[in-house]
Amino acid sequence: DAGVIQSPRHEVTEMGQEVTLRCKPISGHNSLFWYRQTMMRGLELLIYFNNNVPIDDSGMPEDRFSAKMPNASFSTLKIQPSEPRDSAVYFCASSPRSVGNEQFFGPGTRLTVL
Amino acid sequence: AQSVTQLDSHVSVSEGTPVLLRCNYSSSYSPSLFWYVQHPNKGLQLLLKYTSAATLVKGINGFEAEFKKSETSFHLTKPSAHMSDAAEYFCVVSDMNNFNKFYFGSGTKLNVKP
Repeated sequence: DAGVIQSPRHEVTEMGQEVTLRCKPISGHNSLFWYRQTMMRGLELLIYFNNNVPIDDSGMPEDRFSAKMPNASFSTLKIQPSEPRDSAVYFCASSPRSVGNEQFFGPGTRLTVL
Repeated sequence: AQSVTQLDSHVSVSEGTPVLLRCNYSSSYSPSLFWYVQHPNKGLQLLLKYTSAATLVKGINGFEAEFKKSETSFHLTKPSAHMSDAAEYFCVVSDMNNFNKFYFGSGTKLNVKP
């Protein structure tokens, strides 16, 4: 099993540009989570999906952030327009249906907005 | 409501000495609890999990944790630290009624001195 796959692994962009982060969850997992990690704020849950449906997006910092899950094997997190304060590592995680199961994390995307 | 408190932000030990990382949790019902490790510039890796089976849980790399309901604690221990254990450790409680949503502690950075 390849695990959770994220792309790109590193992204450097300029302020005002659109950024799209991608995630492929583990096959058969039906919950998907997007997190952001910074030195100042630690790990923050941005949004999560169950069976491709967004359940809670209260962690999305503002309207510049959006996330979609068009099918069970793909999700995107988009920032438009990007700002320097969005610089962080973004993690995607997936989890199987059973209660008490762990989340499996991807390697993360390190985003730098200049 | 679910929450986790990691009592130490930094712990420093000498190689070959025991490790103790402390975690207290709050949960409205019988919890699922996890410890994750994050090495520098890496993703999160599951160390161990408790899901209402044995109260003493063994994980990878010689780590174990004991669930103590009366103390609402889930401390992580290892008899003998290795240099490769230097990392950040996160205690997590899962909300099984909310699609395995995770509540993270603020993390404990473990430093291992030679």
